[in-house]
Amino acid sequence: DAGVTQSPTHLIKTRGQQVTLRCSPKSGHDTVSWYQQALGQGPQFIFQYYEEEERQRGNFPDRFSGHQFPNYSSELNVNALLLGDSALYLCASTITTGSYGYTFGSGTRLTVV
Amino acid sequence: AQSVTQPDIHITVSEGASLELRCNYSYGATPYLFWYVQSPGQGLQLLLKYFSGDTLVQGIKGFEAEFKRSQSSFNLRKPSVHWSDAAEYFCAVGPFSGGYNKLIFGAGTRLAVHP
Repeated sequence: DAGVTQSPTHLIKTRGQQVTLRCSPKSGHDTVSWYQQALGQGPQFIFQYYEEEERQRGNFPDRFSGHQFPNYSSELNVNALLLGDSALYLCASTITTGSYGYTFGSGTRLTVV
Repeated sequence: AQSVTQPDIHITVSEGASLELRCNYSYGATPYLFWYVQSPGQGLQLLLKYFSGDTLVQGIKGFEAEFKRSQSSFNLRKPSVHWSDAAEYFCAVGPFSGGYNKLIFGAGTRLAVHP
């Protein structure tokens, strides 16, 4: 049973560029959340997608946007990259109507230079 | 404000010694509580969770945690630490209801294990 799959594993971008990160949720899961984990910190909630709509959002600027597809997979887009966007980006999936439990992916390490 | 505090940034224990990692939370409603472990360069693995009922919960890898409502704490314990337990540990809190739910994480405690 595949868990949460994220791609790419690592990414290096230049300031001002745009980046797209991808996430495939665990089989049977319909809700995807994205978290940013800066070095030495705990994960911070970015936003959550359910039924292809953003359902909840954390304290992140509009440069951060996302999308959920009919197959429940999701993308995180970040525009106008800043050095401070360098972090590990984690995707987590769950079932909205099921028991409460998130499965996390291994993350995408984004480095902005 | 909702928050999670892990007072210990780094903890070092000897292999075979007991372990307790502290977690305090501030939450306006009945929370769901979680402990996750993260190995270097990896994602988060769920160790255990508390929803309701017995305040002592058992998890994977021999870990347990005790929910103390009066102290707003959810400390993680292990009676005998193995070298493979060296990792970063995160306590997290979420809303009681499902659906609209986001996890609030503490800053983490890095555990080092001496042979």
